[in-house]
Amino acid sequence: AQTVTQSQPEMSVQEAETVTLSCTYDTSESDYYLFWYKQPPSRQMILVIRQEAYKQQNATENRFSVNFQKAAKSFSLKISDSQLGDAAMYFCANQGGSEKLVFGKGTKLTVNP
Amino acid sequence: DTGVSQNPRHKITKRGQNVTFRCDPISEHNRLYWYRQTLGQGPEFLTYFQNEAQLEKSRLLSDRFSAERPKGSFSTLEIQRTEQGDSAMYLCASSSDHLLDLSFGQGTRLTVV
Repeated sequence: AQTVTQSQPEMSVQEAETVTLSCTYDTSESDYYLFWYKQPPSRQMILVIRQEAYKQQNATENRFSVNFQKAAKSFSLKISDSQLGDAAMYFCANQGGSEKLVFGKGTKLTVNP
Repeated sequence: DTGVSQNPRHKITKRGQNVTFRCDPISEHNRLYWYRQTLGQGPEFLTYFQNEAQLEKSRLLSDRFSAERPKGSFSTLEIQRTEQGDSAMYLCASSSDHLLDLSFGQGTRLTVV
């Protein structure tokens, strides 16, 4: 069975600083995708970044980047130059072998001005 | 494109009553998903449709739960004989041929009293 673990229930960062959110996963699939989703309070979940497991190069989207360590089954999210609007719940998710996403429990990110 | 729309946004019901939620996906998306998110947890997969066919159901979807997508457009999720444990956010999402363009709705928050 697929599992996703986010070991940091809460994180905080100063505005303009960098923060890293951790995620580990377990899957028996050889071909799979990993995702980070952002869920602001009372708002819909939106995709932040995704990584195909067969790609060795880490994905980057503007201020967001990942550190994908396939052997260690680790997929951390780095947010650079943090902004107040980055404050949200962040969920790591894995998809492989079926059409469903398996999510972690989330990390609540607070951005301090 | 108005995104994935869910109605109602909030529902309070008494234990034992039946409730029905509606999801309108992005018009060109042929895949539709239902997830459930309880407080402090990540979303959990419930079921998935491709067009009108229900292709996968989670064991979380007890016999009190039924989902339909009769014409391959909107979908309904019905919960019969609601229990307090059914209190959660019910999320709908849609995608085209792959999860890579998955879009979530804002969810329906169910409270069973």
